[in-house]
Amino acid sequence: QKEVEQNSGPLSVPEGAIASLNCTYSDRGSQSFFWYRQYSGKSPELIMSIYSNGDKEDGRFTAQLNKASQYVSLLIRDSQPSDSATYLCAVAYTGGFKTIFGAGTRLFVKA
Amino acid sequence: DTGVSQNPRHKITKRGQNVTFRCDPISEHNRLYWYRQTLGQGPEFLTYFQNEAQLEKSRLLSDRFSAERPKGSFSTLEIQRTEQGDSAMYLCASSLVPVGDYGYTFGSGTRLTVV
Repeated sequence: QKEVEQNSGPLSVPEGAIASLNCTYSDRGSQSFFWYRQYSGKSPELIMSIYSNGDKEDGRFTAQLNKASQYVSLLIRDSQPSDSATYLCAVAYTGGFKTIFGAGTRLFVKA
Repeated sequence: DTGVSQNPRHKITKRGQNVTFRCDPISEHNRLYWYRQTLGQGPEFLTYFQNEAQLEKSRLLSDRFSAERPKGSFSTLEIQRTEQGDSAMYLCASSLVPVGDYGYTFGSGTRLTVV
C-alpha cells in the first residue's frame, strides 16, 4: 500500500468551476499536510499547508483535513486555465525532515 | 538571495558515465534535501543534510550515488556509472526549520537523461 495515494486523473473542469482534489495517507502519525502545484517541466511549488482538522482557506484555495479518515483535500474555486497543473499531496511529521509525496493529480481547466 | 539554485538545468550523458549535480541552498538554511522525480510520479526522498552531516539516506540511493555537503554550504550529488533508469529530475530543497513544519522550497531541478 502506497503511503500517500491520489487519483492520477486527469481531472477536467470548465473555467470558473470548483476543482476538487483528494488524497489519502496511511500513517496515522502524520501531522503536517501540504499541497504542491507542479507545472509541466517545473519543480513543485508549495501552495497550501494544513495541520489541524477542518478547513483552511487561502484565496481561491481551501485545504480540508480529516485525520480520523486519513483524508486531505484541496478545493480550487473559480478555476482558471492557469491552474492547469499537477497537484501533489504530501505528508510529514511536525519537526520531521522527510516529506512523503503522492504521485499527483493532473488538473485541466478548460477555457 | 534568490532561492535554491541547481546546476546544471539539463544533463544528457551516455550510459556508464559519471555525472555530478550541484545545489546551492538559501544561504542561512542549515538543512538540505535531495529528491528524485520520474515522469508521472511524485518526488522520492534521497538524502538529507543538517549542516555538513548526512543524517539520512534512502535505500533508493545505491552505492553508485554519493552526496556531500562540505562545510555545510552547497551540496553535490554524484552518480557513477549511470544507467538508463537514472534518468529523472533531481530536485534539491533547503530549509531553516524542520520541513514538517513549513514545507519545502525546491530549486528548479536538474533533468538527467541517460542515453
